[in-house]
Amino acid sequence: DTAVSQTPKYLVTQMGNDKSIKCEQNLGHDTMYWYKQDSKKFLKIMFSYNNKELIINETVPNRFSPKSPDKAHLNLHINSLELGDSAVYFCASSQRPGNSPLHFGNGTRLTVT
Amino acid sequence: AQTVTQSQPEMSVQEAETVTLSCTYDTSESDYYLFWYKQPPSRQMILVIRQEAYKQQNATENRFSVNFQKAAKSFSLKISDSQLGDAAMYFCAYRSGPGTGYALNFGKGTSLLVTP
Repeated sequence: DTAVSQTPKYLVTQMGNDKSIKCEQNLGHDTMYWYKQDSKKFLKIMFSYNNKELIINETVPNRFSPKSPDKAHLNLHINSLELGDSAVYFCASSQRPGNSPLHFGNGTRLTVT
Repeated sequence: AQTVTQSQPEMSVQEAETVTLSCTYDTSESDYYLFWYKQPPSRQMILVIRQEAYKQQNATENRFSVNFQKAAKSFSLKISDSQLGDAAMYFCAYRSGPGTGYALNFGKGTSLLVTP
């Protein structure tokens, strides 16, 4: 019973390509997130969605476009991939009350060559 | 944005010993939430413990406990009776308010090595 699942687990692609990462949660949460973890393991928030509405967009290039078709899904589409986009991308979900923890997917390792 | 500082990039502890990982944060809010997450080599993000700022009592989860000092804006994690399976990257996180979608702001992490 995977709570937050994201696919694919690994993604290797060339510069300039367009790719998508899918995320689904079956926890009934109303808020979903995308995080980027760089090579130094630093986790940085990219986007936050609540009930399909974009809440936060943290200085992310507009080549990154999140799409939330419903509360349970938050996909990440990346256009014109660059070498610097190589990282691990985590999807997460939570309820809005502050003490509710974020539940993370297992991450997608994106390698741009 | 609130900043979270973990001043120890790496720590080492012997099996069965106790280790404390430090975390400080900067905020002007009075009501907030703090978390510790663990990331083993499998890459999975695992919740270790959480603390509500309005609670004076320090949170405890089995061998894991926190020392929450609100005035000092300090939130350290103590791991007792360390086990080999505790070896991982540990992240301290601050949960922002509704204006930021309740996102977690993470520190840069502390890599914990457990030696036999």
